[in-house]
Amino acid sequence: GENVEQHPSTLSVQEGDSAVIKCTYSDSASNYFPWYKQELGKGPQLIIDIRSNVGEKKDQRIAVTLNKTAKHFSLHITETQPEDSAVYFCAASKNTGKLIFGQGTTLQVKP
Amino acid sequence: EPEVTQTPSHQVTQMGQEVILRCVPISNHLYFYWYRQILGQKVEFLVSFYNNEISEKSEIFDDQFSVERPDGSNFTLKIRSTKLEDSAMYFCASSVVGQGGTEAFFGQGTRLTVV
Repeated sequence: GENVEQHPSTLSVQEGDSAVIKCTYSDSASNYFPWYKQELGKGPQLIIDIRSNVGEKKDQRIAVTLNKTAKHFSLHITETQPEDSAVYFCAASKNTGKLIFGQGTTLQVKP
Repeated sequence: EPEVTQTPSHQVTQMGQEVILRCVPISNHLYFYWYRQILGQKVEFLVSFYNNEISEKSEIFDDQFSVERPDGSNFTLKIRSTKLEDSAMYFCASSVVGQGGTEAFFGQGTRLTVV
């Protein structure tokens, strides 16, 4: 069945350090991989996404890589700031619009 | 910036009662979704809706659940007879198109507590 595994469940870094969150998906037909940031009391907000025809995408301090062969993708945040502290979710989708989410990673950036 | 809005933000209901969760998707979006997140667990897909009918639903979305677009702006999720295990955060989302690869915008959620 469709499943997305996400690691680690919690991540604590010092301000200025990098943070990496990894996800693995099971359905090889998945072709769209968004990452969402969820702050306390708010809904998930898209921060970056990647499609299966691309291996890497970068947007300022955030980058995502995709390895289709291994069926995993990763989120990289460089020069972390306290305001990056939140829960991050990866997700995978096929051509249906339905998103399968990972379990979430609670990122804490210590000043 | 356009956003998905959900009401109420928190709903407390007695077990066995019916609840309706409301959502106003972004105005030019055509695909609508409901997801739920039980405390401490992952966000789970419930249902997608397009052109006034359900396009896909999960096994969670049983006969107790229904969705409706009663007018041109609202999108509702009804739970007919709530159970304790329905307690969760419910998120509405919308997208311009439904095929994988299109950004889905999420509302801030409705916290449903069944007592």
